[in-house]
Amino acid sequence: GQNIDQPTEMTATEGAIVQINCTYQTSGFNGLFWYQQHAGEAPTFLSYNVLDGLEEKGRFSSFLSRSKGYSYLLLKELQMKDSASYLCAVSDPSGNTPLVFGKGTRLSVIA
Amino acid sequence: SQTIHQWPATLVQPVGSPLSLECTVEGTSNPNLYWYRQAAGRGLQLLFYSVGIGQISSEVPQNLSASRPQDRQFILSSKKLLLSDSGFYLCAWSDGTGPDTQYFGPGTRLTVL
Repeated sequence: GQNIDQPTEMTATEGAIVQINCTYQTSGFNGLFWYQQHAGEAPTFLSYNVLDGLEEKGRFSSFLSRSKGYSYLLLKELQMKDSASYLCAVSDPSGNTPLVFGKGTRLSVIA
Repeated sequence: SQTIHQWPATLVQPVGSPLSLECTVEGTSNPNLYWYRQAAGRGLQLLFYSVGIGQISSEVPQNLSASRPQDRQFILSSKKLLLSDSGFYLCAWSDGTGPDTQYFGPGTRLTVL
């Protein structure tokens, strides 16, 4: 089967660092994606990891450990505009669904 | 660059009425196309995806159908809407190569009353 778990909600302070975790259990694996979705808007692509390790893109970094079925999204120097839902998604070529999404983590950034 | 359009942006329909949502992609050819639904407080649910004209894969049995009459056009339809069809409908495209990243359109918010 396919299962992706993320915390439902998180709160962090402006200027701080926050780590959003994602664990997955899939039959196959061909990469893990992170998307950002502001309330009432469509998801936008943030990052893709297929090999173990850390990928950095400005204030955002994404980490993957395939052996542990684990990823995290790290957001540094948090800004109010980072308040959004963050979706973890896994590409599983063995399944019927091209991309399996978690339910998302709603991040609230407070002053 | 590639652009994806959806319309309408919002829609309020009575139960039992028909539905037609349209999605078009510009700036690419032979894209993979996807329809998702996102209900309030729930994750993204894949409804249909297509790898080419006339090729539709259905993921969830329901009263919805999809068609791909042209290479870059994807249509979601229903003959009779149910209350449970309310939600945020998202179309996405990917180029079918490499990581096959999916890019989403702006979405249609559907309320069935």
